[in-house]
Amino acid sequence: GAGVSQSPRYKVAKRGQDVALRCDPISGHVSLFWYQQALGQGPEFLTYFQNEAQLDKSGLPSDRFFAERPEGSVSTLKIQRTQQEDSAVYLCASSLDRDGLETQYFGPGTRLLVL
Amino acid sequence: LAKTTQPISMDSYEGQEVNITCSHNNIATNDYITWYQQFPSQGPRFIIQGYKTKVTNEVASLFIPADRKSSTLSLPRVSLSDTAVYYCLVGEPVDNFNKFYFGSGTKLNVKP
Repeated sequence: GAGVSQSPRYKVAKRGQDVALRCDPISGHVSLFWYQQALGQGPEFLTYFQNEAQLDKSGLPSDRFFAERPEGSVSTLKIQRTQQEDSAVYLCASSLDRDGLETQYFGPGTRLLVL
Repeated sequence: LAKTTQPISMDSYEGQEVNITCSHNNIATNDYITWYQQFPSQGPRFIIQGYKTKVTNEVASLFIPADRKSSTLSLPRVSLSDTAVYYCLVGEPVDNFNKFYFGSGTKLNVKP
């Protein structure tokens, strides 16, 4: 069956541009997580949705980062006025249960390069 | 504050059993321990999860001592395709969900 998909897979942006990263979770999955993974590092938690409710956004690095999941399925991570330090792989994961304790299924990630 | 500590890298040969130990000295009472595998240019893939003692599934075993301050992922008879980065993480219950803290991971290199 279809897994978690993310688009675009690669994005090159000029410093100061806005970008939008899309995540299509597995159908019916309640929980959705966004992570940021810098080169050679483990993923770092950004934010979490339970259906359409954003229950935690404590990991978002700055107010330039914004995430939404308006209908409880597809989610978008938006980064405004991108900076070079935003260059990383952005991973999306979904899980069937409400609290994310069940298996989290990860997408392939979007690799963002800010020049 | 890092929640987990793992060796940076390990080498092994095909057919050997590999044990990767992770320390999580500050683990809380309700935290779960989960292991993920990641290949280059892919998202992490769930391997196994446990709370205490021993858990086994079709690909790995997870050993957790009574004090839960460490855990060991055991991969039986590794093959070249097991070359990847392995992450130990703890899930911290926060309200009605869990936050997961990934460490820097252990790069396992399986040689022929």
